[in-house]
Amino acid sequence: GQQVMQIPQYQHVQEGEDFTTYCNSSTTLSNIQWYKQRPGGHPVFLIQLVKSGEVKKQKRLTFQFGEAKKNSSLHITATQTTDVGTYFCAGPIQGAQKLVFGQGTRLTINP
Amino acid sequence: DAGVTQSPTHLIKTRGQQVTLRCSPKSGHDTVSWYQQALGQGPQFIFQYYEEEERQRGNFPDRFSGHQFPNYSSELNVNALLLGDSALYLCASSLGRGAKNIQYFGAGTRLSVL
Repeated sequence: GQQVMQIPQYQHVQEGEDFTTYCNSSTTLSNIQWYKQRPGGHPVFLIQLVKSGEVKKQKRLTFQFGEAKKNSSLHITATQTTDVGTYFCAGPIQGAQKLVFGQGTRLTINP
Repeated sequence: DAGVTQSPTHLIKTRGQQVTLRCSPKSGHDTVSWYQQALGQGPQFIFQYYEEEERQRGNFPDRFSGHQFPNYSSELNVNALLLGDSALYLCASSLGRGAKNIQYFGAGTRLSVL
């Protein structure tokens, strides 16, 4: 079945360093969504990408959707302790109306 | 404007028991999806309810069932609990049932099966 894979599974950085997580799908996605889950919290929607090659920015966060619409990335510039959490990508199964989540990248930061 | 609310927040059950979890969607939303999140994993789609009917289902056994009420609130029922059912159960609401629609998650119900 369709899978959404994320790497790395864990990432530990020093505060101020950059961070990137990658998301890959086995099939073409009509759109991809990114969510953040703080420790002990629930997933919170960050952004949705729809167009091939799309790039969106939210302050220090940059999201990209691949040209083939099978991969995506989230890049955080100059991490802060508030960025701690697990970042999930999610894409719809082709032809269906349910989201498949990646296993997430857990970001920890050394202040 | 209330967001998605779930109850209870925590629950402890023993194997073989049955459990009912409840969810009230965000105001104005008509679609409720349920997810199971095991520790260290991403949310796994269980099923989605729209217009009081189950519209989509993930790879979960029939022990997992649900219901949606006319006010769009929803319940998730799990029968014959297994140890492996221990997880965080998340409810997400959206406007419309398309996969492009943004999911607004509740805080979840943490279920422990002993």
